[in-house]
Amino acid sequence: DGGITQSPKYLFRKEGQNVTLSCEQNLNHDAMYWYRQDPGQGLRLIYYSQIVNDFQKGDIAEGYSVSREKKESFPLTVTSAQKNPTAFYLCASATGSGDYGYTFGSGTRLTVV
Amino acid sequence: GQQVMQIPQYQHVQEGEDFTTYCNSSTTLSNIQWYKQRPGGHPVFLIQLVKSGEVKKQKRLTFQFGEAKKNSSLHITATQTTDVGTYFCAGPPDSWGKLQFGAGTQVVVTP
Repeated sequence: DGGITQSPKYLFRKEGQNVTLSCEQNLNHDAMYWYRQDPGQGLRLIYYSQIVNDFQKGDIAEGYSVSREKKESFPLTVTSAQKNPTAFYLCASATGSGDYGYTFGSGTRLTVV
Repeated sequence: GQQVMQIPQYQHVQEGEDFTTYCNSSTTLSNIQWYKQRPGGHPVFLIQLVKSGEVKKQKRLTFQFGEAKKNSSLHITATQTTDVGTYFCAGPPDSWGKLQFGAGTQVVVTP
């Protein structure tokens, strides 16, 4: 079955450590996106990518980094520069136009202690 | 993407009642998408509306796109506990395929 996989589901890290969240899709989608969601809040865009080896900053990119070396993969690194990294992180993919809706992964809950 | 405003932010519904959530824009939208996120889950694409005045039904859910294509609504009939969650609308994607999600309507259902 085609889908988008995020791992791990839960992640605990100590303050000051970088951590990388995985996102893999086998939908052959060109576009991939990373969102952050805080409790009871909406979706805020961190980074997005339309093609391999190219990505753009979203609304809250500070303290985060991404790469897009393969079409299927779009990992997100939460760096120690991110002031408040504890949140629910959602990866999504779509056809290039986005006209047929986004497919979201099941998310990663990151807790920094 | 084009900005959309959702109202209400929060809706408390008695099981069996109907309710409606709205999505409004100050500009004409070429299309609008709706998503549902269950508590603890991830958003799931429900539907896309494209035509002026379009009405689409999914079981007890009725989606409508306004005649002027500046607003949309989601009406749920005879609410069930399975309807609990947050419903997001999103304006059409921009040239980068980015969607502008509304803030969502969080729905709580009381048995």
